[in-house]
Amino acid sequence: GQNIDQPTEMTATEGAIVQINCTYQTSGFNGLFWYQQHAGEAPTFLSYNVLDGLEEKGRFSSFLSRSKGYSYLLLKELQMKDSASYLCAPMDSNYQLIWGAGTKLIIKP
Amino acid sequence: GAVVSQHPSWVICKSGTSVKIECRSLDFQATTMFWYRQFPKQSLMLMATSNEGSKATYEQGVEKDKFLINHASLTLSTLTVTSAHPEDSSFYICSARTLAGEQETQYFGPGTRLLVL
Repeated sequence: GQNIDQPTEMTATEGAIVQINCTYQTSGFNGLFWYQQHAGEAPTFLSYNVLDGLEEKGRFSSFLSRSKGYSYLLLKELQMKDSASYLCAPMDSNYQLIWGAGTKLIIKP
Repeated sequence: GAVVSQHPSWVICKSGTSVKIECRSLDFQATTMFWYRQFPKQSLMLMATSNEGSKATYEQGVEKDKFLINHASLTLSTLTVTSAHPEDSSFYICSARTLAGEQETQYFGPGTRLLVL
């Protein structure tokens, strides 16, 4: 079956760095997306990885290891506005995104 | 990034009425659009995949006669919740697939909150 495993909740301090891990199992693989979702809002696109390695985009970076079925999202210089849920969504062989419950990130001053 | 709009953003209706939600890709053409539903503190649930000019593909457990999807053009898909009941109250979100550079990316609309009284 298809499965995504992310921590349910994480807490970090403003200005710090946090890494949100994601392991996945899918039927086929066509890349992995990370989305940010603030409470009561729709998800917004953060990153897409299809090859192994690290993709850096400003304060956010995303890493992928296809052989391990593993990805992480790294957030640097955390700001209060980064408090949100972060959704790891691999794309299966049918080009469908597979969704888990996401990781709720709480930023404290 | 690409922009997807949804209208309306809020709907409150009486039980038994039908509600139509529009999803538009504003600056790109989307051959494929998706309709999701999300209940509080739960993950996104894919309801159906909509391809322009053809019938939508519904996920298991989603009633196609209750949730009517029309993908009339490359920039517009509509979801109609027919004879809505209180259990249909949820957050409905559409997304559109586009090629961003050489990558397929999926962008979401802002969502529509439906409350059925």
